[in-house]
Amino acid sequence: DQQVKQNSPSLSVQEGRISILNCDYTNSMFDYFLWYKKYPAEGPTFLISISSIKDKNEDGRFTVFLNKSAKHLSLHIVPSQPGDSAVYFCAAPVQGAQKLVFGQGTRLTINP
Amino acid sequence: DTAVSQTPKYLVTQMGNDKSIKCEQNLGHDTMYWYKQDSKKFLKIMFSYNNKELIINETVPNRFSPKSPDKAHLNLHINSLELGDSAVYFCASMGGYEQYFGPGTRLTVT
Repeated sequence: DQQVKQNSPSLSVQEGRISILNCDYTNSMFDYFLWYKKYPAEGPTFLISISSIKDKNEDGRFTVFLNKSAKHLSLHIVPSQPGDSAVYFCAAPVQGAQKLVFGQGTRLTINP
Repeated sequence: DTAVSQTPKYLVTQMGNDKSIKCEQNLGHDTMYWYKQDSKKFLKIMFSYNNKELIINETVPNRFSPKSPDKAHLNLHINSLELGDSAVYFCASMGGYEQYFGPGTRLTVT
């Protein structure tokens, strides 16, 4: 039962343009969401998060938007840079925040 | 200074063998995890320990046995390795809602 879903396995964007990565969830009790970035042969690293009491959180080139009514969040990267090429996972804490459930990941490729 | 470290990074072994993967974190976190990333790239939690006590066991075969000698270490021992155990295994520790991952151990069973 996939509580967090990323339906796009891959995304290709031109350098300098906006990258938009999407994530849907099924559990309306989720109160916090996180985005992780993963390079090949490395572990995922925390990128940005958002509490369910907000609809937007911004950190430099990265902005996460949360639409609770649609159970949807998105990560915007602008402008996209070659170093942003990685796999991005969205995640949410469950079981009293004892564990995270992850989406399947979206591979982002930034083309020069 | 590496926050979460794992050894070895690569492990190639034959079916039926027993192997261990070690994990250490220097972040002072109480909670540590083992994840498996399978061939479809899903990140699935296997175990979680809080201050040396097992708190999550996600129906992992009992050939997998985690051991936490102290809250900074969480090792994973795997008995009688099978082909299906081939995957990348990640250790992580948790502070607040954020988890910090190790670099992963790529296990290949032949």
